[in-house]
Amino acid sequence: GAVVSQHPSRVICKSGTSVKIECRSLDFQATTMFWYRQFPKQSLMLMATSNEGSKATYEQGVEKDKFLINHASLTLSTLTVTSAHPEDSSFYICSAPPPPSHRRREGPEAFFGQGTRLTVV
Amino acid sequence: GQSLEQPSEVTAVEGAIVQINCTYQTSGFYGLSWYQQHDGGAPTFLSYNALDGLEETGRFSSFLSRSDSYGYLLLQELQMKDSASYFCAVSNRDDKIIFGKGTRLHILP
Repeated sequence: GAVVSQHPSRVICKSGTSVKIECRSLDFQATTMFWYRQFPKQSLMLMATSNEGSKATYEQGVEKDKFLINHASLTLSTLTVTSAHPEDSSFYICSAPPPPSHRRREGPEAFFGQGTRLTVV
Repeated sequence: GQSLEQPSEVTAVEGAIVQINCTYQTSGFYGLSWYQQHDGGAPTFLSYNALDGLEETGRFSSFLSRSDSYGYLLLQELQMKDSASYFCAVSNRDDKIIFGKGTRLHILP
């Protein structure tokens, strides 16, 4: 089945530095990918839609200059948390909708990466 | 806008049956999904309904009523390992998936 690979799975960085998270579709092309953030004991909140070859679309309240998204190829989207601060510590996870060849009536409607736990110290 | 409502917590006994309800408000509705998430892990897909009715997958079943904007997840023969958070999520025609706040399921021995 379709697989989305995300790494790193865990990262600790110093306050003020930038962190890049990669999300790859391994056996299919993904023109669109989605990035979510999840704080402890909360829901997954959609941050942005990553579009191959064009600018990302950000959800209301998400700072596009802080969370840089690049989708330069059909199999790779990256999220860069710039000038990270402790309040950016969270679980970040990407997803990609299945290509037509993988769509099933019974779903799933998205393939998720394994997630990245970011801790900013 | 879009919103989903589900109970924040549910407690059940091992071996029993539990139902987690979800109501939603959204535009361009395409389907309702259910995901399981254990502490520290990524969400795991459980079930998806695009049409009205019941979908059964082993011990888990999911139901959808589009006219009522309502669905539920039914877990049977509960096991301790089913202790987790369960999220309902709506998908739209633009492939976006919006998650509910999640239901924490506690299972008592």
